[in-house]
Amino acid sequence: DAKTTQPPSMDCAEGRAANLPCNHSTISGNEYVYWYRQIHSQGPQYIIHGLKNNETNEMASLIITEDRKSSTLILPHATLRDTAVYYCIVRSYSSNTGKLIFGQGTTLQVKP
Amino acid sequence: DTGVSQDPRHKITKRGQNVTFRCDPISEHNRLYWYRQTLGQGPEFLTYFQNEAQLEKSRLLSDRFSAERPKGSFSTLEIQRTEQGDSAMYLCASSLSVGERVNVLTFGAGSRLTVL
Repeated sequence: DAKTTQPPSMDCAEGRAANLPCNHSTISGNEYVYWYRQIHSQGPQYIIHGLKNNETNEMASLIITEDRKSSTLILPHATLRDTAVYYCIVRSYSSNTGKLIFGQGTTLQVKP
Repeated sequence: DTGVSQDPRHKITKRGQNVTFRCDPISEHNRLYWYRQTLGQGPEFLTYFQNEAQLEKSRLLSDRFSAERPKGSFSTLEIQRTEQGDSAMYLCASSLSVGERVNVLTFGAGSRLTVL
């Protein structure tokens, strides 16, 4: 699975959009981009995933560049409860194991 | 269904003792994963099961660690002769794999181990 690079930390004002970037320049054609987040003292929580088209669900939007070498997770109206570590993970959809390899993630601090 | 359940949530033990953690996955999920997470780090993959078969083990899983999933439902992770370096959060996750389509992993809240 391709390696991802994320900034270690970011701040966001409550009510504003949080834009979390992820670089995955070695991504291959059959690899999806997944985002999970981990709120303090809880297990990771799935947010969204995509291949090449932009995706949106009730939690967030995922914007993937045309060359697929980077992506951005957007939380449109961040709240204090969105304070968490956000992990960007690249994985083949037909992975034999389905396991996820986590990096260090981005710690998002939403401030009042 | 209440998601992935892990028990106990917290365990404090003395060095050299054995500990066992239990994971109850989402009932229809056929895959089950164990991860370990130390402070400030992302979760690290330990092992996974497809039904009752243990199909992959990480090099992190020393011979003091053993995991089972006897009937393809719940799983246990046992650590023998615990060491202080075993102190971590142990996370369990499950997913439904149908053919080559692998769904997302659903994680439990974790079992925090402190070895004194």
